[in-house]
Formats: sequence, structure tokens, C-alpha cells
Amino acid sequence: EPEVTQTPSHQVTQMGQEVILRCVPISNHLYFYWYRQILGQKVEFLVSFYNNEISEKSEIFDDQFSVERPDGSNFTLKIRSTKLEDSAMYFCASRETSGGYNEQFFGPGTRLTVL
Amino acid sequence: DAKTTQPPSMDCAEGRAANLPCNHSTISGNEYVYWYRQIHSQGPQYIIHGLKNNETNEMASLIITEDRKSSTLILPHATLRDTAVYYCIVRVGGDYKLSFGAGTTVTVRA
Repeated sequence: EPEVTQTPSHQVTQMGQEVILRCVPISNHLYFYWYRQILGQKVEFLVSFYNNEISEKSEIFDDQFSVERPDGSNFTLKIRSTKLEDSAMYFCASRETSGGYNEQFFGPGTRLTVL
Repeated sequence: DAKTTQPPSMDCAEGRAANLPCNHSTISGNEYVYWYRQIHSQGPQYIIHGLKNNETNEMASLIITEDRKSSTLILPHATLRDTAVYYCIVRVGGDYKLSFGAGTTVTVRA
């Protein structure tokens, strides 16, 4: 069964460093998302991406964050200068088509630890 | 988005049906009811969705009241692997974010 994959599973970085989290969405999917979950808190929406541009972003997704689909398969989230409060699980999700119901398929997540 | 209310936690015996309630009294006519679950910090997993008719798939059944103000997710034969946080989300269809609340923590006991 097709699935969303994410790498790495765990990333440890120093405060102020740049990190890139990678996702490979399901191959025929057109809509892509990043969510995050701080330990013990709710899953929060960060950004959605379609047709090579951001379609919606939350207040969390400030200038330190960027997303890119550099080729036909990868979808990346970059954090330019990490802060301690960026420590969280980051989930990528993808969706097949427009319209209809909103079934998003989530990856297993990347645990980001900022020291 | 319509607000949803779910109990914070519930227990269920293995092999028995688990009935998870969700109130969404402000739901609009074009909003779907979606259920997702999250098993111990894994990525959320889609379970089922419905608009106004009851729905069933290989994982669960969704019963939506006639006035659509509440719904119940039914796991027909709960197993230990069904222990998870279950989220009821009300949203229009299309390319929109999912807004997760606190959900219901379901613990299936042997």
C-alpha cells in the first residue's frame, strides 16, 4: 500500500542551525501539508502546498520556515535558524485530488530536537 | 470550522465494541465529519468520514444523527492495537487544513 515517508526519523540540531526535513508524498498526490506536534500538545497545521506554491499557512509558519518541492517526488520543510521551541514532531501529509472529502495521508514524522 | 466536543478519555475491553461520541451542534450543511486517530506519536491515520449518511469501512462505522449535531464512531471489535487518541474533525471538503483538538484517548484493556 502506498505511504508517505519522511526522513530522518530523528534530527538533533543546535539552536540557530538550519534544518531540512524531507518527505516523499504518495506518488499521484497533488496536495501537500506540514503539521507539527509539540510533546504533549495538539497536532498543529503549518502549511499547505499545491501547484508549486503555498495555498495556506498558519501563524506559526513565519519567515524562518520555507517549503519546497525540488523535484517530482520530494517535499521539504526548511527551518532557517532553529529555536528551542521548534522542538517537536513534524508530520508531512499528502492528498490526492481537489474537491470531495479531505482524506489526508500522514507520514510517520520526524522528531526534531533543538539543543 | 464547526467546533467539536469529545470526552477526554474512555476505556474499552478487548473484543468489545468501542463507541466514541462526538458533538458538533454548529455543523454546517456542507461540512463533513472526519475521524482520525493517532497511535502513540505516530502520524495521524484517517479512519472514516461522512456527510449525513451512516458509513462503514473495514476499520469502523460512523453513525451520524439525523440532525447531524452529533456522531458516533464505532470500532466493532476493539483490539489492543486500537489504543490511540481519536479525533473527530468537522470540515468542508476540499484542500483545507485539518484542525485537531485534544481528541479522546481510548485505552483498550485485555
